[in-house]
Parts: sequence; structure tokens; C-alpha cells
Amino acid sequence: KAGVTQTPRYLIKTRGQQVTLSCSPISGHRSVSWYQQTPGQGLQFLFEYFSETQRNKGNFPGRFSGRQFSNSRSEMNVSTLELGDSALYLCASSLEPWGTQYFGPGTRLLVL
Amino acid sequence: KNEVEQSPQNLTAQEGEFITINCSYSVGISALHWLQQHPGGGIVSLFMLSSGKKKHGRLIATINIQEKHSSLHITASHPRDSAVYICAVVNTGNQFYFGTGTSLTVIP
Repeated sequence: KAGVTQTPRYLIKTRGQQVTLSCSPISGHRSVSWYQQTPGQGLQFLFEYFSETQRNKGNFPGRFSGRQFSNSRSEMNVSTLELGDSALYLCASSLEPWGTQYFGPGTRLLVL
Repeated sequence: KNEVEQSPQNLTAQEGEFITINCSYSVGISALHWLQQHPGGGIVSLFMLSSGKKKHGRLIATINIQEKHSSLHITASHPRDSAVYICAVVNTGNQFYFGTGTSLTVIP
């Protein structure tokens, strides 16, 4: 089976712009979670989706949003980018909510 | 206040040594995960535990729910084990909390 894929892998944006990141889970996995990793804060939980429903959201402002489609693919969107949004954004899929997490390679976002 | 604390933060070992990484948490949990992150960012799930002990190859993970503590052991450590090891918990409110990680370097 193919692993979790994320696109794009690298992205450079400027402050105030918005960005959309995409995650394709392992075939058959219906749960997708998103995480942000920065040198200062480490790994932090963003969202968790299961069967197109957002079940949980971490402590992030409303500028961070996401969705999951019927084929389990997921997107996350960050609007009005700030310098502090520069990070590695990881998604992970699992068979069931909060099951063994299979991580994608991440999207590295740089906000200038 | 961190919901998940790991120790040590950094660890250097000689090849062949037995290694222990500790994780303590302060919230009620439904599951605990041990993750491995190599330089370059890729994260691999090592274990998911809700009770007892699990073993995979040279890796052993244990959890004590009453003491809110988990340990990850590596037997006969090897330079390829050099990575950051991260403990994460799913609390009873289905929120996911990460420890700050333990950076392990195994010297040949």
C-alpha cells in the first residue's frame, strides 16, 4: 500500500497570504490528523477528522481550518499567514480514530 | 504546564548499551503513543499502548496507568537507533498531547 502523501512538500508564502495543504491517507484509513511542528513549540495537534467530520481541534486560532472529503483525503487551510506560522505541517492517517498513526513526510511552510 | 514530560531530554550511549526513556503524564488517557523521528523529519509510530507492555524487536514499551508513567527501552542499542523519541498521549477528551522528545545519539 502507498503511504501517506502530502502536497506540496515545500512552500514559501508572504505574510497575509493564505495557503492550502493537502493530505492523502493510506487506502482504507478514514481518520486523518494534522500536526504542526516548530523548533520552539515542538509538535502540536491541529485537527482530527473521521468520516468527513472534525472530531477534535487543538488550541489554534480560527485562521487554521480544515476539511475531509468523502474519499478521506484532507486539506488544511491557513488564512492571513503570520511569520510564526512557519513550520513543518504533518498529517497522519489511521484506521480508527487515534489508532496507530501513519505519518506523511510533511509540508515545510516558510512565511516571509 | 506540560501535560506530557519526558526524560532525559538528551541521551548519548555507546553501541550495545541498554537505553531507557521515560514519559510521565498528568491527564487521564485512553492511549499512549511512542514515536520516532529521524533527522529530516520523518515520523514513525513505534507503539500504541493502553496497558501493560509491548515488544517489537529490540524495543520494549511499558505503561503504568496508576502511576501515569511509560518507559521505552532499547536493548543492544545501535547507531541507527539515533533519533528523537517522542511520547504522546490521547486524553479522555480525545485531545493529543506531545512530549518535547528525547534526542538519542548512539556512538559506535
